[in-house]
Amino acid sequence: GDSVTQMEGPVTLSEEAFLTINCTYTATGYPSLFWYVQYPGEGLQLLLKATKADDKGSNKGFEATYRKETTSFHLEKGSVQVSDSAVYFCALLDTGRRALTFGSGTRLQVQP
Amino acid sequence: EAGVTQFPSHSVIEKGQTVTLRCDPISGHDNLYWYRRVMGKEIKFLLHFVKESKQDESGMPNNRFLAERTGGTYSTLKVQPAELEDSGVYFCASSQVGNSPLHFGNGTRLTVT
Repeated sequence: GDSVTQMEGPVTLSEEAFLTINCTYTATGYPSLFWYVQYPGEGLQLLLKATKADDKGSNKGFEATYRKETTSFHLEKGSVQVSDSAVYFCALLDTGRRALTFGSGTRLQVQP
Repeated sequence: EAGVTQFPSHSVIEKGQTVTLRCDPISGHDNLYWYRRVMGKEIKFLLHFVKESKQDESGMPNNRFLAERTGGTYSTLKVQPAELEDSGVYFCASSQVGNSPLHFGNGTRLTVT
């Protein structure tokens, strides 16, 4: 079946540091890939997505590239801010499915 | 527009009691999903409604869980009787059509003691 594996947290960084959160996946079809973010006290929000191999999703300074050869969709940001502190979830939507498959989430804490 | 609303935001109940969670999707969204995150693990799919019909309930853990969406508007998820392992955060999400972006609610944190 489908699965998503992402690095365990928490990840603690200083402001303006470079961020990478690793995500790899297993899927039977040709999935679309997503990053969702949950800020404290809020629901999940779509951060970015990519629908096919080599696509790059980007939003709010975050980027992730759909790498089919390594089945990965790592999230990166060049310079994090305190306001980026949140839990980040990698997810996939496989061909013919309507339900997302999520990873376990990675908590990011950015210190001033 | 109003977002997806879930009620209550927190619920603490004793083992063996019954709890009902409610989700109000965005108006006009036919698709409604329930997900659950248990003890900081991955968010797992529970079930999917299209209007009032259950499209996929393959993620429902057992028959102690009952979801309804009468009239195709709001949905309820009842847990009866609750067990300790049911503790977690229950998320609801809705979308307009099948492949359009999901809008999530803030979740209901359920604690069973």
